[in-house]
Amino acid sequence: NAGVTQTPKFQVLKTGQSMTLQCAQDMNHNSMYWYRQDPGMGLRLIYYSASEGTTDKGEVPNGYNVSRLNKREFSLRLESAAPSQTSVYFCASSVLAGYSETQYFGPGTRLLVL
Amino acid sequence: QKEVEQDPGPLSVPEGAIVSLNCTYSNSAFQYFMWYRQYSRKGPELLMYTYSSGNKEDGRFTAQVDKSSKYISLFIRDSQPSDSATYLCAMRPANAGGTSYGKLTFGQGTILTVHP
Repeated sequence: NAGVTQTPKFQVLKTGQSMTLQCAQDMNHNSMYWYRQDPGMGLRLIYYSASEGTTDKGEVPNGYNVSRLNKREFSLRLESAAPSQTSVYFCASSVLAGYSETQYFGPGTRLLVL
Repeated sequence: QKEVEQDPGPLSVPEGAIVSLNCTYSNSAFQYFMWYRQYSRKGPELLMYTYSSGNKEDGRFTAQVDKSSKYISLFIRDSQPSDSATYLCAMRPANAGGTSYGKLTFGQGTILTVHP
């Protein structure tokens, strides 16, 4: 049981290049999320998917697109990378149990845009 | 003004000290309150989860919520060097319609170092 996995771990891009960050979970969770973490800003939600086949914008969606490929996988795409997108990206998935909801995070992808 | 404010620290304490970490928030709709711990170069992991006002204890950790003051706290007793990490508060409103997604709003995180 690997939990939430993310690839790649680290990536360097030039301005204008595109890339897709991959995320997969093996916990049979319905909901998945993409966050970015910047110094002094905490974690900010980019996009989320409440269930397979649905996606919705979070707090900072501009410059990103997502695909919920199936129940396990949720990818984040940067079509034309900008230096402002240099950040650490975390994928998470969640399960609701009663009133309690736990989001499980992946190890993160460090992205540097030059 | 951010919806959730958290003192980023850094906070440095000796082993065995009692640590108090705090967050204030402005959105009165927040009903669920969480504390996450994040070790260096790792993803956050859930530490404590509370619903509405009150206290919750788990071992050396106590989470406190005061909705009237819009203030939450995490206390760590007998702190250990292994507690050195970034602590993030997070919160969200109640789900609508019982759906299982949660749009969390995070604080900036407090960097804690416990030295031997």
